[in-house]
Amino acid sequence: AQKITQTQPGMFVQEKEAVTLDCTYDTSDQSYGLFWYKQPSSGEMIFLIYQGSYDEQNATEGRYSLNFQKARKSANLVISASQLGDSAMYFCAMRERGNNRLAFGKGNQVVVIP
Amino acid sequence: GAVVSQHPSWVICKSGTSVKIECRSLDFQATTMFWYRQFPKQSLMLMATSNEGSKATYEQGVEKDKFLINHASLTLSTLTVTSAHPEDSSFYICSASWGGGGEDTGELFFGEGSRLTVL
Repeated sequence: AQKITQTQPGMFVQEKEAVTLDCTYDTSDQSYGLFWYKQPSSGEMIFLIYQGSYDEQNATEGRYSLNFQKARKSANLVISASQLGDSAMYFCAMRERGNNRLAFGKGNQVVVIP
Repeated sequence: GAVVSQHPSWVICKSGTSVKIECRSLDFQATTMFWYRQFPKQSLMLMATSNEGSKATYEQGVEKDKFLINHASLTLSTLTVTSAHPEDSSFYICSASWGGGGEDTGELFFGEGSRLTVL
């Protein structure tokens, strides 16, 4: 069964605008971690932000924030003030307790236009 | 942050040959390394989990004899694609952790990836 769901089609975003990338997850564990990674065309996976299941506050890292709604099992990424360099694939991932393995969603393609 | 390095970044080989990809943790000891495969425009699919000094744990559907993984030291894991065929052409990426699967620390680092093309 798919654990991470990212269903949005490719997105075009105007430079300086904010964009929200949806991610829902499925787990029966009480303790887990949620991640967002950026993958530019060069291929490397760039860690953006992490949210622990017990964290009461939404994670923020610079222009990235995670809208964590535990009851809905969603962990949407918000990128504020988009820049041209934000054009990339974005992957949501989950790691369950006691397991270092990451389960990835299918990704969201974001293209920032000037 | 911690650095994980992969080599080579690009490799082109003839069908039937074997290719070795290295994954090194440069500034920490990686007790566990993971190997992923990614087809164009698709997600990362976990191939195997590699623990230092023990046999790798392969995901269902991944051929152990095809994709040989060795984790001989705390800083190096290798993936060897044996008798490569064009369908093995893909992007292979490793990640490394110093954790033993305990608390979620968020600390999981990826290499730059290796793009394999088999002619």
